[in-house]
Order: sequence, then structure tokens, then C-alpha cells
Amino acid sequence: EAGVTQFPSHSVIEKGQTVTLRCDPISGHDNLYWYRRVMGKEIKFLLHFVKESKQDESGMPNNRFLAERTGGTYSTLKVQPAELEDSGVYFCASSQASGNTIYFGEGSWLTVV
Amino acid sequence: AQSVTQLGSHVSVSEGALVLLRCNYSSSVPPYLFWYVQYPNQGLQLLLKYTTGATLVKGINGFEAEFKKSETSFHLTKPSAHMSDAAEYFCAVSGNGNNRLAFGKGNQVVVIP
Repeated sequence: EAGVTQFPSHSVIEKGQTVTLRCDPISGHDNLYWYRRVMGKEIKFLLHFVKESKQDESGMPNNRFLAERTGGTYSTLKVQPAELEDSGVYFCASSQASGNTIYFGEGSWLTVV
Repeated sequence: AQSVTQLGSHVSVSEGALVLLRCNYSSSVPPYLFWYVQYPNQGLQLLLKYTTGATLVKGINGFEAEFKKSETSFHLTKPSAHMSDAAEYFCAVSGNGNNRLAFGKGNQVVVIP
């Protein structure tokens, strides 16, 4: 069974550009999460989807970040325009509807220069 | 709200020696506790978890952790370190029924031959 898949694995963009990260959760997982680790800091929660609905987006840092999960399958996280402080690793994770174990992807490493 | 404290960002251990990583949590509701590991250039992998029941939980690769409510702790141990244990280890907590994880800052474990 495929795990949580994230694309791209690495991305280098210039300040002011746009980047879109994609996450494919484990098949059948209703819950999808985005987390972020900025250099030297702890992993922080960004938001939580249940199917296509945003359950909790209280961790989104500002309105330059937009997450979508159309159809309740894969999700995208767009950063527009990117700033230097957005550099870090963006993790996607998923879990079953009634599950308490969250499975993480390998992360998308974003560098803004 | 939940939070986790992991002290000592870098931990050195000799090959064959005990691995002990400390985790203390804060939670206003009964916690679910997790240890995740990140090997170089890989994603977060679940080592073990505590939800309810037996307070001593065993995970993959010979690791185990004990939930101590009175001490609000969930320390991770392995009797004998192996070179392959070199990785970053994260303790995380979520509230009962709430899948939002709060992570500690992580412990980078170095195994000395």
C-alpha cells in the first residue's frame, strides 16, 4: 500500500514567486494534515482537512498560504507570494476517519532565495 | 492545548549503550503520545504510540516508551544503540479524540562507534 506522497521533494524559488506543493494521502484516509518545520524550530501544525472540508486552519501563518482539497482526495498548498521566512520542510500527513495514528510523507523541502 | 518539551537538541550515545530520550508533555485532556523518527533524507516514521491501556509500549527497532501520568512523561529508551539509530527523534502529543499533533523540538541522536 502506498504511503503519503508529496511533490515536489525539493523546490528552490525566488522571493515573490509562487510555489504549489501537492500531497496524495493514503487511499481511504479522510483526514489530511499539513505541518511545517522552519529551520531550527519545531514541527508546527498548519491545517486539517476532513474529506474536502477545512476542519481546522488555525495554524496557517497568513493569507499568502492557501490550501485546497478538491474532491476530498489529494491536497495542494500554495504559497503566493513566497517570502524568505517560508523556507522549510512542509509535511503532509493523513489518518483514517476514526484513527489516532497519523502517517507522514517525506516532506517537501522549500527554499526561498 | 497540548505541548511537549524535549531537552537536549543533540544527544550522543556510544554504540551498544542505552539510548534515553526524555519527553514531558502538557495536556488539558487525556493525551495520546507518539514518538516519530526521521532518518536522513527521509520522512517522519512512527516509532510507537500510547493511547490507552498498557503504559509501557513497544515500538519498532527495539524502542519502547513508558507513559507516566504522575510525571507527565513519555521517555523513549532502547537498551543498546546501533549505528542505524542515528536520526532525529520527535515526541508529539494530541488531545483525546483530537488528531492535531503538538511536537517537541526534536533530539538529533549521534551514535559513536
